[in-house]
Amino acid sequence: EDQVTQSPEALRLQEGESSSLNCSYTVSGLRGLFWYRQDPGKGPEFLFTLYSAGEEKEKERLKATLTKKESFLHITAPKPEDSATYLCAVQAGGYGQNFVFGPGTRLSVLP
Amino acid sequence: DTAVSQTPKYLVTQMGNDKSIKCEQNLGHDTMYWYKQDSKKFLKIMFSYNNKELIINETVPNRFSPKSPDKAHLNLHINSLELGDSAVYFCASSQDQDSQRGFGSGTRLTVV
Repeated sequence: EDQVTQSPEALRLQEGESSSLNCSYTVSGLRGLFWYRQDPGKGPEFLFTLYSAGEEKEKERLKATLTKKESFLHITAPKPEDSATYLCAVQAGGYGQNFVFGPGTRLSVLP
Repeated sequence: DTAVSQTPKYLVTQMGNDKSIKCEQNLGHDTMYWYKQDSKKFLKIMFSYNNKELIINETVPNRFSPKSPDKAHLNLHINSLELGDSAVYFCASSQDQDSQRGFGSGTRLTVV
């Protein structure tokens, strides 16, 4: 069965304190790994797609990387507006139902 | 312009009632989805649908049924609502099964 886990469950950072979020996956035939940001009361907002090990994507203070078993979302010098829940999801080798979300990491950035 | 919009945003109803949630996307995407986010914030697929194929997550009770009047709309009908149906329901769309999903803002359903 395809599984996605994320750690830590929650993370509190001071403004400017860089850190990384982890997404580990066990799937048969990864077709893509997706990072989303979700603010309270809103739907997930797409951030990145990674397709193969070694791939990296960047957007402002965020950088996503991918290995064969996990992905990291690096946050450099975060600001309070980066506070949100970060979700990763994997699209696995099958079709249709094989888009599995992890439980998310709740990030709080304190001023 | 909102890409994926769903209504209502909040829905409070009694057990046993039948309700519908509407979803529309203006992205021209071929595939639409319904997801359920429970109290632990897990997002789980309920249905994926394009104009050729409906794929149902086998764990979804048959009281839930998606209905698509056209490519841009996928509504969710729920019969005989139960307390356990309380959750946030998200509509989403994508160009194809391998592409990122664009999500609506969610409908918080509370069954009392």
